[in-house]
Amino acid sequence: EIVLTQSPATLSLSPGQRATLSCRASQTVHNYIAWYQQKLGQAPRLLIYDASNRATGIPARFSGRQSGTVFTLTISSLEPEDLGVYYCQHRYNWQITFGQGTRLEIK
Amino acid sequence: EVQLLESGGALVQPGGSLRLSCVASGFTFSPYAMGWVRQAPGRGLEWVSGFCGTGFTAGSACTYSSESAEGRFTISRDNSKNTLYLQLSSLTPEDTAVYYCAKGLGSSPVHYFEHWGQGTPVTVSS
Repeated sequence: EIVLTQSPATLSLSPGQRATLSCRASQTVHNYIAWYQQKLGQAPRLLIYDASNRATGIPARFSGRQSGTVFTLTISSLEPEDLGVYYCQHRYNWQITFGQGTRLEIK
Repeated sequence: EVQLLESGGALVQPGGSLRLSCVASGFTFSPYAMGWVRQAPGRGLEWVSGFCGTGFTAGSACTYSSESAEGRFTISRDNSKNTLYLQLSSLTPEDTAVYYCAKGLGSSPVHYFEHWGQGTPVTVSS
């Protein structure tokens, strides 16, 4: 099973700051990585797919990139509503797993 | 507007069975893969199972499941009713979770999830 390891576990930043979230795959997943945001009590929302493509309606401050088996979600300038838990997901080799999540707190 | 409405969640005893349903609206149902993802209380997301959309022709199976679901849970869909199902059997307390229905971004049974329902809770306890 491919394991996705997210870091950091928790990130606490102020509005306007830049957030960088990491997701490391235990083996190659090509570019088959998505990122989701989940707010408390809500269903997840797709942000990024295929490592770097923004989903419909997602603001340009969200971006994704890949370097080998390390994937990064960047929020260029934090807004108060960006708080929540962020998950990465792969869809390689006919399986899906999620990372354990990064909690983003807004000071 | 895409809407996914799950139902069927309940309190069930260990070893019991349950069928979850998800009625979709606001989009053409049949071409898109659909899946189930669950979330145990206070925990992260766990993929359960996926079913392909029509037009999927990669030569592989149309349904895939996680190791924990394989052999116990069965995913199915009725395109005439715009409905996705998940039959749960041999339930254990570890299956306690909110079960989300989700629409795939394409027709592959293993895909990203573009839209999600609000979930239906399943509690396995004696």
